Amino acid sequence: AQSVTQPDIHITVSEGASLELRCNYSYGATPYLFWYVQSPGQGLQLLLKYFSGDTLVQGIKGFEAEFKRSQSSFNLRKPSVHWSDAAEYFCAVGASDGFQKLVFGTGTRLLVSP
Amino acid sequence: SQTIHQWPATLVQPVGSPLSLECTVEGTSNPNLYWYRQAAGRGLQLLFYSVGIGQISSEVPQNLSASRPQDRQFILSSKKLLLSDSGFYLCAWSANRGPNNSPLHFGNGTRLTVT
Repeated sequence: AQSVTQPDIHITVSEGASLELRCNYSYGATPYLFWYVQSPGQGLQLLLKYFSGDTLVQGIKGFEAEFKRSQSSFNLRKPSVHWSDAAEYFCAVGASDGFQKLVFGTGTRLLVSP
Repeated sequence: SQTIHQWPATLVQPVGSPLSLECTVEGTSNPNLYWYRQAAGRGLQLLFYSVGIGQISSEVPQNLSASRPQDRQFILSSKKLLLSDSGFYLCAWSANRGPNNSPLHFGNGTRLTVT
């Protein structure tokens, strides 16, 4: 069965600084990997996804993530954080069996300081 | 374009009362539909999913049930709410494209407080 670990519950970053949110997954085959963002009281919005091909994927809002099979990781990055990026971020892994049963991590809450 | 509607946005219900949360999707046909629950510090837990009308799969045993009376309608219900049913409930859909996964698209959620 798949599992996802987001080791950081909270992260505080200064506005304009770079960001990296960690995600490690466990899955026996080639995973489908996702990052979602959730603003308070809202649903989740897809930031980016990895299915195959180039291991560095670009997403919306200037985010990118790199799939590293050897490390079972899919870390999310942004070179310069904006105050509006403050939110909760979820990494998820899906089975490559054609059905969208995602397993989510417990999330990382990003705080942006001025 | 496709949209997903979920209501109500917030709900406060006494213990033992029934529950009905509704979710509808527009702009697509034969979607996969999902109910997730989000509890503080625990991420999202998949409760139910459906690949078609009347086809419901339950992921965890619980006090809740789901139904899909129409292609783009997904309902989460309970006959008698428990305190532990409190949480943030999210409906989602994905395209039913066979071996190719499509991303989940989420509604804005329902905050349920059982008192």
